[in-house]
Amino acid sequence: ETGVTQSPTHLIKTRGQQVTLRCSSQSGHNTVSWYQQALGQGPQFIFQYYREEENGRGNFPPRFSGLQFPNYSSELNVNALELDDSALYLCASSSPGGGWTEAFFGQGTRLTVV
Amino acid sequence: ELKVEQNPLFLSMQEGKNYTIYCNYSTTSDRLYWYRQDPGKSLESLFVLLSNGAVKQEGRLMASLDTKARLSTLHITAAVHDLSATYFCAVDPGTASKLTFGTGTRLQVTL
Repeated sequence: ETGVTQSPTHLIKTRGQQVTLRCSSQSGHNTVSWYQQALGQGPQFIFQYYREEENGRGNFPPRFSGLQFPNYSSELNVNALELDDSALYLCASSSPGGGWTEAFFGQGTRLTVV
Repeated sequence: ELKVEQNPLFLSMQEGKNYTIYCNYSTTSDRLYWYRQDPGKSLESLFVLLSNGAVKQEGRLMASLDTKARLSTLHITAAVHDLSATYFCAVDPGTASKLTFGTGTRLQVTL
C-alpha cells in the first residue's frame, strides 16, 4: 500500500450539488495530482498542485477547482455537479522538485451523481 | 497533445500461453509506467521504465521500453487466472508526474 489516503471512499450526490474530495499525500511528497476515471476509460489528468499553487491543468472546466494546504494535503472541489461527473477520482502524490520521483496513487473516491 | 494508445483493448488469454500488450505514444518521453487495475479498485503500480532499452520483470510479467520507437510492451508468460485485470500504460512527458494514460487493455484468462 502507498501512503496516499483519500476520503471519502464513496459518495453519492445530486445533480447541481457541490462536492469536496480530500487527499493526504505520502510523507515527503510536495505535489498532488488529481485524475478522473470514468467507467471503462483510463484516468484523465485534472490538475496538479505543487507547493500550494496550481501547476498545470487538463481539459476540465473551471467548476473543477482545487487547493493544496501547507502540509501538502489537497482538496478537489466540483461545483454544479453533472451526471457525467460520476467517476472514480484518484489522487497521486510525488515530489518532482529537484529530480523525478514516482507518483503513488491513493485508493480513490467513487463519486456517483444522481 | 500527447496521445497514448494501447492494443489490444481486450485480450482473452488461455492459461499457459504467452501474450503481449503494446503501448504506443506520440511524443518524446523517457518515463513510462505500467499499472494494473482490478474492478472497482485503484491503480497498482507494476513497472516504471526510465530509459531507452529498459527492461523489467516481475513474475510472469516483463515490460520493455523503446523510446526511439515510442513503444512499450508488456509481455505475459504462461498466463494464469490471477492476471485477469485491466492494464494501463501511462506516459510522463516531463519531470512533474503529470501522466497521460492509455485506453487500457482488459485481460481475461480462461482455462
